Amino acid sequence: DAKTTQPTSMDCAEGRAANLPCNHSTISGNEYVYWYRQIHSQGPQYIIHGLKNNETNEMASLIITEDRKSSTLILPHATLRDTAVYYCIVRVAYNNNDMRFGAGTRLTVKP
Amino acid sequence: ETGVTQTPRHLVMGMTNKKSLKCEQHLGHNAMYWYKQSAKKPLELMFVYSLEERVENNSVPSRFSPECPNSSHLFLHLHTLQPEDSALYLCASSQDPAGVGTFGSGTRLTVV
Repeated sequence: DAKTTQPTSMDCAEGRAANLPCNHSTISGNEYVYWYRQIHSQGPQYIIHGLKNNETNEMASLIITEDRKSSTLILPHATLRDTAVYYCIVRVAYNNNDMRFGAGTRLTVKP
Repeated sequence: ETGVTQTPRHLVMGMTNKKSLKCEQHLGHNAMYWYKQSAKKPLELMFVYSLEERVENNSVPSRFSPECPNSSHLFLHLHTLQPEDSALYLCASSQDPAGVGTFGSGTRLTVV
């Protein structure tokens, strides 16, 4: 069973920031938050992950609440190529058995 | 190219055929995974290999048989499949400690 809850779908205007929420209220202290995305008919692509501090890389920013029960993935300037299904996963970093995906959020970036 | 290569990209097979899917990674990862993605369903974790040993089998039917001969290669042997087994089969690999998974592009399987 997936340990996260995400909205089924979201729209975003091209050039604007896309903010994708994820609830993980049962997260354990040793579980990280990972984000992946899957563009149609391709394999999922890693975006970012974090434990409790906010993280930023060339693709996105990850904001994790202080209680760690929720997080937000931010795509600062969404483009049409960011249209994809975005998956939020919580897992123990050292546990290779724990890469389980939920239904994700289908983000549609519109011109 | 992600570093995880799956072949073939597309496969059509009859229910009595035997075929194999291949996955290869040269990222130095020590864990490899098979996932199944049916239409409009989430990714389903099928098998996990860590250090070439199977560590998890999520109640997958025996008509799917994985093989991991070394840390760089993973196979999924298929026999007497059903039409409902038609799906996108994805391979992934990861390396401790971060365990960030890298996925291949998948094999689109159609069982007729």
